[in-house]
Amino acid sequence: EVQLVESGGGLVQPGGSLRLSCAASGFTFSSYWMTWVRQAPGKGLEWVANINRDGSAKYYLDSVKGRFTISRDNAKNSVFLEMNSLRAEDTAVYYCASLGGSGSYPTDPWGQGTLVTVSS
Amino acid sequence: DIQMTQSPSSLSASVGDRVTITCRASQGIKNYLAWFQQKPGTAPKSLIYGGSSLQSGVPSKFSGSQSGTDFTLTISSLQPEDFGTYYCQQYASFPLTFGGGTKVEIK
Repeated sequence: EVQLVESGGGLVQPGGSLRLSCAASGFTFSSYWMTWVRQAPGKGLEWVANINRDGSAKYYLDSVKGRFTISRDNAKNSVFLEMNSLRAEDTAVYYCASLGGSGSYPTDPWGQGTLVTVSS
Repeated sequence: DIQMTQSPSSLSASVGDRVTITCRASQGIKNYLAWFQQKPGTAPKSLIYGGSSLQSGVPSKFSGSQSGTDFTLTISSLQPEDFGTYYCQQYASFPLTFGGGTKVEIK
């Protein structure tokens, strides 16, 4: 069974840091691009970052560029999102998903999401 | 950035109704468009990619079409389990962008 499980969310003060993890199972993780998408409370979906199969190519939403880093460990079937200099507007549920079509569109299943709350 | 404009923002329809949701791209994206369904408190579910190709396991009552930069998601016969919010996403160029969502309620 294909499964993605996120972890690492929590409450952090403005300016703080968090590292999100997404553990994959049930598919050949190293063959897929991965993505992070977030959803602020009561709001719509917002793309955050993509990473290619071997981690050599990364793409970011402008508002997180320089603050967030996406990475992966294919030996551990995991993708990460290192978040620094967090702001109140980063408060959201963060989802990971694999990308079909050679790194194009999210495919099921997505992870269950992990909540990040940035507040003093 | 490519803006994705979804309409309507919400709709209420009866079981058995045909429902259409539109997503307009601010510039050409070929057919690089996906549709998602999200129910409250759960992760999104992928429905369609390439504008009209159904993801594996998605029932055939869902269909997608394209006319230029206008994309349409159609539910041929609305069922109670189809409630939720539907989003489009373009993946033609970075930053990838989503539409604002269409909330579908069952009358």
